[in-house]
Amino acid sequence: DIQMTQSPSSLSASVGDRVTITCRASQSITNYLNWYQQKPGQAPKVLIYAASTLQSGVPSRFGGSGSGTDFTLTITSLQPEDFATYYCQQSYTTRTFGQGTKVEI
Amino acid sequence: QVQLQESGPGLMKPSETLSLTCTVSGGPINNGGPINNYYWSWIRQPPGKGLEWIGYIYKSGDTYYNPSLKSRVTISLNMSKNQFSLNLRSVTAADTAVYYCAREKDPNGKFYYYMDVWGKGTTVTVSS
Repeated sequence: DIQMTQSPSSLSASVGDRVTITCRASQSITNYLNWYQQKPGQAPKVLIYAASTLQSGVPSRFGGSGSGTDFTLTITSLQPEDFATYYCQQSYTTRTFGQGTKVEI
Repeated sequence: QVQLQESGPGLMKPSETLSLTCTVSGGPINNGGPINNYYWSWIRQPPGKGLEWIGYIYKSGDTYYNPSLKSRVTISLNMSKNQFSLNLRSVTAADTAVYYCAREKDPNGKFYYYMDVWGKGTTVTVSS
Protein backbone atom coordinates (compact mmCIF):
# COMPACT_ATOMS: atom_id res chain seq x y z
CA ASP A 1 0.00 0.00 0.00
CA ILE A 2 1.09 3.55 -0.67
CA GLN A 3 1.21 5.71 2.45
CA MET A 4 0.73 9.47 2.27
CA THR A 5 2.27 11.69 4.96
CA GLN A 6 1.36 15.36 5.27
CA SER A 7 3.18 18.04 7.21
CA PRO A 8 2.53 19.90 9.29
CA SER A 9 -0.55 18.34 10.95
CA SER A 10 -1.72 21.83 11.82
CA LEU A 11 -0.57 25.39 11.41
CA SER A 12 -1.56 28.83 12.56
CA ALA A 13 -1.62 31.64 10.04
CA SER A 14 -3.05 35.08 9.43
CA VAL A 15 -5.05 36.53 6.58
CA GLY A 16 -2.66 37.46 3.80
CA ASP A 17 -0.01 34.90 4.75
CA ARG A 18 1.60 32.52 2.29
CA VAL A 19 0.94 28.96 3.41
CA THR A 20 2.69 25.80 2.27
CA ILE A 21 1.60 22.23 3.02
CA THR A 22 3.68 19.26 2.01
CA CYS A 23 2.69 15.71 1.18
CA ARG A 24 5.07 12.79 0.79
CA ALA A 25 4.27 9.42 -0.76
CA SER A 26 5.92 6.20 0.39
CA GLN A 27 6.79 5.41 -3.24
CA SER A 28 6.71 7.27 -6.52
CA ILE A 29 3.22 8.20 -7.67
CA THR A 30 4.47 10.35 -10.61
CA ASN A 31 1.88 13.14 -10.55
CA TYR A 32 -1.23 11.19 -9.53
CA LEU A 33 -1.86 13.49 -6.60
CA ASN A 34 -4.96 15.46 -5.66
CA TRP A 35 -5.62 18.10 -3.00
CA TYR A 36 -8.93 18.62 -1.20
CA GLN A 37 -10.27 21.25 1.19
CA GLN A 38 -12.75 20.32 3.91
CA LYS A 39 -14.62 22.73 6.15
CA PRO A 40 -16.37 21.59 9.36
CA GLY A 41 -19.61 19.76 8.66
CA GLN A 42 -19.03 19.70 4.91
CA ALA A 43 -17.85 17.18 2.38
CA PRO A 44 -14.38 17.69 0.92
CA LYS A 45 -13.96 19.75 -2.22
CA VAL A 46 -11.25 19.18 -4.83
CA LEU A 47 -8.79 22.03 -5.33
CA ILE A 48 -5.99 20.55 -7.42
CA TYR A 49 -5.71 17.37 -9.47
CA ALA A 50 -2.80 15.75 -11.30
CA ALA A 51 -0.50 17.50 -8.81
CA SER A 52 -0.75 20.95 -10.37
CA THR A 53 -4.00 21.39 -12.34
CA LEU A 54 -6.40 23.84 -10.73
CA GLN A 55 -9.98 22.58 -10.63
CA SER A 56 -12.43 24.85 -12.44
CA GLY A 57 -13.80 27.54 -10.15
CA VAL A 58 -11.00 27.31 -7.58
CA PRO A 59 -9.25 30.64 -6.88
CA SER A 60 -5.84 31.09 -8.44
CA ARG A 61 -4.23 31.72 -5.03
CA PHE A 62 -4.20 27.92 -4.69
CA GLY A 63 -1.34 26.13 -6.41
CA GLY A 64 0.14 22.66 -6.48
CA SER A 65 3.54 21.34 -7.44
CA GLY A 66 5.72 18.27 -7.22
CA SER A 67 6.18 14.86 -8.74
CA GLY A 68 7.46 11.47 -7.73
CA THR A 69 7.17 11.36 -3.95
CA ASP A 70 7.15 15.01 -2.83
CA PHE A 71 4.30 17.45 -3.36
CA THR A 72 3.30 20.90 -2.17
CA LEU A 73 0.07 22.83 -1.85
CA THR A 74 0.59 26.59 -1.66
CA ILE A 75 -1.91 29.27 -0.79
CA THR A 76 -0.31 32.54 -1.84
CA SER A 77 -2.45 34.95 0.20
CA LEU A 78 -4.63 33.28 2.81
CA GLN A 79 -8.24 34.46 2.88
CA PRO A 80 -10.74 34.08 5.75
CA GLU A 81 -12.62 31.37 3.84
CA ASP A 82 -9.42 29.31 3.49
CA PHE A 83 -9.30 28.29 7.16
CA ALA A 84 -10.06 24.59 6.80
CA THR A 85 -8.43 21.15 6.72
CA TYR A 86 -6.52 20.11 3.63
CA TYR A 87 -5.93 16.56 2.43
CA CYS A 88 -3.70 15.11 -0.23
CA GLN A 89 -4.79 11.91 -1.97
CA GLN A 90 -2.96 9.61 -4.37
CA SER A 91 -4.71 7.99 -7.32
CA TYR A 92 -1.69 6.11 -8.69
CA THR A 93 -2.92 2.81 -7.30
CA THR A 94 -6.26 2.41 -5.56
CA ARG A 95 -6.59 5.44 -3.26
CA THR A 96 -4.98 6.79 -0.08
CA PHE A 97 -5.46 10.06 1.75
CA GLY A 98 -2.95 11.93 3.83
CA GLN A 99 -3.85 12.49 7.47
CA GLY A 100 -4.80 16.13 6.88
CA THR A 101 -3.45 19.57 7.71
CA LYS A 102 -5.63 21.94 9.70
CA VAL A 103 -5.09 25.61 8.88
CA GLU A 104 -6.16 27.74 11.84
CA ILE A 105 -6.26 31.42 12.57
CA GLN B 1 -25.62 18.92 -12.45
CA VAL B 2 -24.93 15.52 -10.92
CA GLN B 3 -25.80 15.15 -7.24
CA LEU B 4 -25.21 12.28 -4.84
CA GLN B 5 -27.25 11.41 -1.75
CA GLU B 6 -26.37 8.79 0.84
CA SER B 7 -29.03 6.89 2.76
CA GLY B 8 -28.97 4.24 5.44
CA PRO B 9 -29.39 3.53 9.13
CA GLY B 10 -27.96 6.02 11.59
CA LEU B 11 -27.55 3.61 14.48
CA MET B 12 -26.32 0.05 14.47
CA LYS B 13 -25.31 -2.63 16.93
CA PRO B 14 -21.95 -4.41 16.93
CA SER B 15 -21.72 -7.45 14.62
CA GLU B 16 -24.49 -6.19 12.32
CA THR B 17 -24.05 -5.49 8.59
CA LEU B 18 -24.06 -1.86 7.52
CA SER B 19 -25.88 -1.20 4.25
CA LEU B 20 -25.68 2.22 2.65
CA THR B 21 -27.03 3.40 -0.70
CA CYS B 22 -25.89 6.33 -2.80
CA THR B 23 -28.49 7.70 -5.21
CA VAL B 24 -27.13 9.53 -8.24
CA SER B 25 -29.31 12.23 -9.77
CA GLY B 26 -28.76 14.52 -12.75
CA GLY B 27 -26.97 11.97 -14.91
CA PRO B 28 -26.62 8.23 -15.53
CA ILE B 29 -24.11 6.10 -13.65
CA ASN B 30 -23.38 4.37 -16.92
CA ASN B 31 -22.40 7.34 -19.05
CA GLY B 32 -21.57 5.04 -21.94
CA GLY B 33 -18.66 7.02 -23.32
CA PRO B 34 -14.88 6.43 -23.42
CA ILE B 35 -14.07 9.87 -22.07
CA ASN B 36 -15.18 11.04 -18.65
CA ASN B 37 -15.31 7.52 -17.35
CA TYR B 38 -16.26 7.44 -13.71
CA TYR B 39 -15.52 5.43 -10.62
CA TRP B 40 -18.15 5.44 -7.87
CA SER B 41 -16.53 5.58 -4.46
CA TRP B 42 -17.15 5.28 -0.74
CA ILE B 43 -15.08 7.20 1.80
CA ARG B 44 -15.53 7.50 5.56
CA GLN B 45 -14.41 9.86 8.30
CA PRO B 46 -14.45 8.84 11.99
CA PRO B 47 -15.34 11.63 14.41
CA GLY B 48 -12.53 14.16 14.62
CA LYS B 49 -10.29 12.16 12.28
CA GLY B 50 -9.19 12.12 8.66
CA LEU B 51 -10.61 10.61 5.50
CA GLU B 52 -10.37 6.89 4.79
CA TRP B 53 -11.01 5.48 1.32
CA ILE B 54 -13.20 2.36 1.47
CA GLY B 55 -13.42 1.33 -2.16
CA TYR B 56 -14.91 2.02 -5.57
CA ILE B 57 -16.81 0.37 -8.39
CA TYR B 58 -16.61 0.96 -12.11
CA LYS B 59 -19.58 0.81 -14.50
CA SER B 60 -18.38 -2.63 -15.61
CA GLY B 61 -18.90 -3.87 -12.05
CA ASP B 62 -15.17 -4.13 -11.32
CA THR B 63 -14.44 -3.27 -7.71
CA TYR B 64 -11.36 -2.20 -5.75
CA TYR B 65 -11.21 -2.11 -1.96
CA ASN B 66 -9.01 -0.75 0.80
CA PRO B 67 -6.91 -3.76 1.87
CA SER B 68 -7.62 -3.03 5.53
CA LEU B 69 -11.38 -3.42 4.93
CA LYS B 70 -11.44 -5.82 2.01
CA SER B 71 -12.53 -8.87 4.00
CA ARG B 72 -15.71 -7.09 5.21
CA VAL B 73 -16.68 -4.84 2.29
CA THR B 74 -18.82 -5.27 -0.80
CA ILE B 75 -19.70 -2.46 -3.19
CA SER B 76 -22.37 -3.04 -5.82
CA LEU B 77 -24.07 -1.15 -8.63
CA ASN B 78 -27.76 -0.90 -9.54
CA MET B 79 -27.87 0.89 -12.88
CA SER B 80 -31.64 0.60 -13.25
CA LYS B 81 -32.06 2.67 -10.08
CA ASN B 82 -28.97 4.83 -10.69
CA GLN B 83 -27.59 3.78 -7.32
CA PHE B 84 -24.54 2.13 -5.86
CA SER B 85 -24.29 0.54 -2.46
CA LEU B 86 -21.91 -0.32 0.34
CA ASN B 87 -22.16 -3.35 2.60
CA LEU B 88 -19.83 -3.55 5.60
CA ARG B 89 -20.08 -6.74 7.63
CA SER B 90 -19.45 -7.34 11.33
CA VAL B 91 -19.33 -3.69 12.36
CA THR B 92 -17.71 -2.52 15.58
CA ALA B 93 -17.46 0.83 17.33
CA ALA B 94 -14.41 1.54 15.16
CA ASP B 95 -16.73 1.74 12.14
CA THR B 96 -18.53 4.74 13.62
CA ALA B 97 -18.04 7.52 11.07
CA VAL B 98 -19.54 9.85 8.54
CA TYR B 99 -19.82 7.88 5.31
CA TYR B 100 -19.54 9.72 2.00
CA CYS B 101 -20.19 8.57 -1.52
CA ALA B 102 -18.35 10.32 -4.31
CA ARG B 103 -17.87 10.29 -8.07
CA GLU B 104 -14.34 9.99 -9.42
CA LYS B 105 -13.76 11.66 -12.73
CA ASP B 106 -11.02 11.28 -15.32
CA PRO B 107 -11.31 14.58 -17.21
CA ASN B 108 -8.88 13.92 -20.04
CA GLY B 109 -8.85 10.17 -20.53
CA LYS B 110 -5.36 10.03 -19.03
CA PHE B 111 -6.37 8.28 -15.79
CA TYR B 112 -5.92 11.37 -13.60
CA TYR B 113 -8.94 10.47 -11.49
CA TYR B 114 -10.14 12.76 -8.75
CA MET B 115 -13.32 12.99 -6.65
CA ASP B 116 -15.27 15.83 -8.17
CA VAL B 117 -18.77 15.28 -6.77
CA TRP B 118 -19.51 14.25 -3.18
CA GLY B 119 -22.64 13.48 -1.22
CA LYS B 120 -23.25 15.41 1.98
CA GLY B 121 -22.43 12.36 4.07
CA THR B 122 -24.44 10.21 6.46
CA THR B 123 -23.50 9.55 10.07
CA VAL B 124 -23.37 5.94 11.21
CA THR B 125 -22.97 5.15 14.90
CA VAL B 126 -22.21 1.64 16.12
CA SER B 127 -23.16 1.13 19.74
CA SER B 128 -24.59 -1.62 21.90
